[in-house]
Amino acid sequence: SQQGEEDPQALSIQEGENATMNCSYKTSINNLQWYRQNSGRGLVHLILIRSNEREKHSGRLRVTLDTSKKSSSLLITASRAADTASYFCAAGTSGSRLTFGEGTQLTVNP
Amino acid sequence: NAGVTQTPKFQVLKTGQSMTLQCAQDMNHNSMYWYRQDPGMGLRLIYYSASEGTTDKGEVPNGYNVSRLNKREFSLRLESAAPSQTSVYFCASSQTLLMNTEAFFGQGTRLTVV
Repeated sequence: SQQGEEDPQALSIQEGENATMNCSYKTSINNLQWYRQNSGRGLVHLILIRSNEREKHSGRLRVTLDTSKKSSSLLITASRAADTASYFCAAGTSGSRLTFGEGTQLTVNP
Repeated sequence: NAGVTQTPKFQVLKTGQSMTLQCAQDMNHNSMYWYRQDPGMGLRLIYYSASEGTTDKGEVPNGYNVSRLNKREFSLRLESAAPSQTSVYFCASSQTLLMNTEAFFGQGTRLTVV
């Protein structure tokens, strides 16, 4: 079974609203990463949070990590139509293993 | 700087045929990965190579073999293709997760087995 699971599976919001996606994982991690995938394309790295960090910011992105609950969340503020994509969390574990969740499909309506 | 290059981009195979998917990275990364992506399933790890000379099974290794040819190249082989292996395959590389670094992805190979 996959290491990460995202919630919700799909999210539809209006431009300007905030989007929050959640991720749960199963084992101990070195880091938790978030990626974006536009339709038919490869994945692009957004942000990485280490296991000893609790929150990280990058532009309009905010990621939190709760290792006691084995969960993470990605917040995209002031969303734009161009943010429409699939978002995946990935758990980086020992031995350089990197496993992904099933993703959240975000649609931002203009 | 090309990043991660996968070949071919598209392939149609008949059941039972074999083929090798090629992946090369020019970032001097230690770790390389092969994933498959099916609708609604996200990315599933097939095999990975933490460093040159090592390979390990991921979540769905059955029906696949890999070779870490050198530091740059990591190939995925289907010995006897089955319709269940119809998928989009992604190769990725990272410096090493021990250093908490991101992974870079190729553009994918869309494989159809008929």
